[in-house]
Amino acid sequence: GAGVSQSPRYKVAKRGQDVALRCDPISGHVSLFWYQQALGQGPEFLTYFQNEAQLDKSGLPSDRFFAERPEGSVSTLKIQRTQQEDSAVYLCASSPRTLALNEKLFFGSGTQLSVL
Amino acid sequence: DQQVKQNSPSLSVQEGRISILNCDYTNSMFDYFLWYKKYPAEGPTFLISISSIKDKNEDGRFTVFLNKSAKHLSLHIVPSQPGDSAVYFCAASLSGTYKYIFGTGTRLKVLA
Repeated sequence: GAGVSQSPRYKVAKRGQDVALRCDPISGHVSLFWYQQALGQGPEFLTYFQNEAQLDKSGLPSDRFFAERPEGSVSTLKIQRTQQEDSAVYLCASSPRTLALNEKLFFGSGTQLSVL
Repeated sequence: DQQVKQNSPSLSVQEGRISILNCDYTNSMFDYFLWYKKYPAEGPTFLISISSIKDKNEDGRFTVFLNKSAKHLSLHIVPSQPGDSAVYFCAASLSGTYKYIFGTGTRLKVLA
């Protein structure tokens, strides 16, 4: 595709509900990232995939957060038993090669999650 | 513990004048820096980057300056245009790592 695509664009969840957020990276991009952006803050790193391998998940705030990229392309970020503090914009980004080469990231428009 | 700081949440500049956005960082090991621009309801888009081996990088109207001793970088936009109105994020990384650390952003408003 032309860019990084994320769906849904908006998600409203009741507290305690499970949600799944989808990211379609740019075709052929090796690296995929998830970031969380709270209101008035900058994006904060959640996790990094190189192809299908999750090489860093140190930013995931709790074990309620789980991400996968089983075939090295589409990725899903799942949040179980959502809490109000999970309300944020979740940004997906991809890059053509590994970040070790100081690649710039291409971001999607994000999924705005509101937990009521 | 904010490793990358943008202390000015907002900035207003007259069209045609220079916009200067500032960013400070605490980790002297950071060796790659980027600026991203974000419009409402869109994801951040890459603007310009600089490696720590340089102190200046220029791309059209945009110039990034890096002062390693002060752990400070700045983005200059000359001349500023109304379409430049957006939130600007600086980000830093360490070579060989997977994380970019972002600042909290500066909202630039260019007045026509």
